Amino acid sequence: DAGVIQSPRHEVTEMGQEVTLRCKPISGHDYLFWYRQTMMRGLELLIYFNNNVPIDDSGMPEDRFSAKMPNASFSTLKIQPSEPRDSAVYFCASSPSGREQYFGPGTRLTVT
Amino acid sequence: KNEVEQSPQNLTAQEGEFITINCSYSVGISALHWLQQHPGGGIVSLFMLSSGKKKHGRLIATINIQEKHSSLHITASHPRDSAVYICAVRSQRGSNYKLTFGKGTLLTVNP
Repeated sequence: DAGVIQSPRHEVTEMGQEVTLRCKPISGHDYLFWYRQTMMRGLELLIYFNNNVPIDDSGMPEDRFSAKMPNASFSTLKIQPSEPRDSAVYFCASSPSGREQYFGPGTRLTVT
Repeated sequence: KNEVEQSPQNLTAQEGEFITINCSYSVGISALHWLQQHPGGGIVSLFMLSSGKKKHGRLIATINIQEKHSSLHITASHPRDSAVYICAVRSQRGSNYKLTFGKGTLLTVNP
């Protein structure tokens, strides 16, 4: 099993640019979670999906952030426009039941 | 006040020592998770528990629901145990699977 796959692994972009982060969950997992990790705030849930439907997006910081899951094997997290304070590591995790979660390697985003 | 508090923030130990990391939370929960994050960032789920005690190799996790407290113990610590250990809780509310995380404990085990 390949595990959760995230791309890109590193992204450096300039303020104002659009950023798209991608996630492929483990096959057969019905839940997908997007997290953000910063030194100041630690790990925070942004949004999670069940069967491709967003269930809880209360952690999405503002309208600049959007997430989609068009099918069971792919999800995107988009930031438009990006700001320096968005610099963080973004993790995707998937789960067969919502309980035990399997994390991807993360995408380190730097916005200059 | 954070819903999930971990202590200590940093811990340095000598190889072979017994390690304890603590987690306290302020809300009713349906489950508590312990996660491990090595330098370089990968996150691995160690335990998920809602009562009692679980053991896996040299790692032991306990939880006291009445006291809203959990501990992670490492016996015979080894330098490869050096990592950040993160506690996370899942609220009792409905079937929501949202996790709330502690800030983590940085463990360094010296040879």
